[in-house]
Amino acid sequence: AQSVTQLGSHVSVSEGALVLLRCNYSSSVPPYLFWYVQYPNQGLQLLLKYTTGATLVKGINGFEAEFKKSETSFHLTKPSAHMSDAAEYFCAVSPYGNNRLAFGKGNQVVVIP
Amino acid sequence: DTAVSQTPKYLVTQMGNDKSIKCEQNLGHDTMYWYKQDSKKFLKIMFSYNNKELIINETVPNRFSPKSPDKAHLNLHINSLELGDSAVYFCASSQHKQGDTEAFFGQGTRLTVV
Repeated sequence: AQSVTQLGSHVSVSEGALVLLRCNYSSSVPPYLFWYVQYPNQGLQLLLKYTTGATLVKGINGFEAEFKKSETSFHLTKPSAHMSDAAEYFCAVSPYGNNRLAFGKGNQVVVIP
Repeated sequence: DTAVSQTPKYLVTQMGNDKSIKCEQNLGHDTMYWYKQDSKKFLKIMFSYNNKELIINETVPNRFSPKSPDKAHLNLHINSLELGDSAVYFCASSQHKQGDTEAFFGQGTRLTVV
């Protein structure tokens, strides 16, 4: 079975500071990894994804993530937080050959002016 | 045009009632899903249909029954609603490729059972 661990349900970051959200996964087969963002009362929007190839993935809104197989991690970063980054962020894993997404518990990001 | 649309957006109903949530996607995808997001924001897959065929059916009470009349639609019918069914239900769709399951989500239906 596949699973995702996101530590720290609430993350506070100052405006202009680095955003770092940690994601560790377990998967018995090569994983496909995703980060989604959910703004209040909205659906989920894909930020970025890793399927194959380059392990550093760039997404929308200045976010990027790096797939590290040896560490089973897919941490999300953004160099400089903006007030508009306040949202819920979910890491998800999908095993190769399966169309099921397993989500982590999410990180609520609060940006402090 | 909205890619994945759900109706209604809000649904308040009494215990014991039967209700349906509708979902439509105009992306031409062959796979559709229902996810449940609980009060702690945890998201879990409930069902998945591929070309109108049920392919994922998680441990969900029999009171929940999905129906897919065609590839573009996946409805969720819930019988005998209980307080614990209160949640946000998300419909999603994707084009099934080898594990690349980038899913597009609807805006969600907030169900409140009173």
